[in-house]
Amino acid sequence: GDSVTQMEGPVTLSEEAFLTINCTYTATGYPSLFWYVQYPGEGLQLLLKATKADDKGSNKGFEATYRKETTSFHLEKGSVQVSDSAVYFCALRGAAGNKLTFGGGTRVLVKP
Amino acid sequence: GAGVSQSPRYKVAKRGQDVALRCDPISGHVSLFWYQQALGQGPEFLTYFQNEAQLDKSGLPSDRFFAERPEGSVSTLKIQRTQQEDSAVYLCASSLVSSGNTDTQYFGPGTRLTVL
Repeated sequence: GDSVTQMEGPVTLSEEAFLTINCTYTATGYPSLFWYVQYPGEGLQLLLKATKADDKGSNKGFEATYRKETTSFHLEKGSVQVSDSAVYFCALRGAAGNKLTFGGGTRVLVKP
Repeated sequence: GAGVSQSPRYKVAKRGQDVALRCDPISGHVSLFWYQQALGQGPEFLTYFQNEAQLDKSGLPSDRFFAERPEGSVSTLKIQRTQQEDSAVYLCASSLVSSGNTDTQYFGPGTRLTVL
């Protein structure tokens, strides 16, 4: 079945540092890929998505590129802020088109 | 516009009690999903509705779990005879269309269930 593996946290960074969160997946066919973010005390919010190979999703300075050859969708941000402290989830929606399959989440803490 | 809402936000139940969790999706959204999120883990799929039809309930962990969406809008997730392992955050999500895997799911704030 479909699965998502993402790097375990917590990841602790200083403000303005570069952030990478690795995400790899296993799926049949051509899934859509998503990054969701959960800020403290809030619900899951879509951060960005990519629906086909080589697509790049971007939002709020975050980027991720759908790499079919490496089955990866790594999240990057060039200069993090304290407000980026949150839990980040990588997810896929398989070719059948219904449920989301999530990774375990990566907690990111940005210190001033 | 209003997002997905869920109630109650917090629920404490004694083991063996029945609970009912409500989800109000975004108006006009055809698809509705329920997920269970254990502490420190990613959400896991429970069940999926397209309008009032429950098309996938493969993620429901036992026959104590039951979900319905009788008029194709509000949905209720019911857990009978709650057990401690049912303690989790229950998330509801809705999406606009009924098919295809590119559509975005919008999540509610969740109901945190604690079973004592």
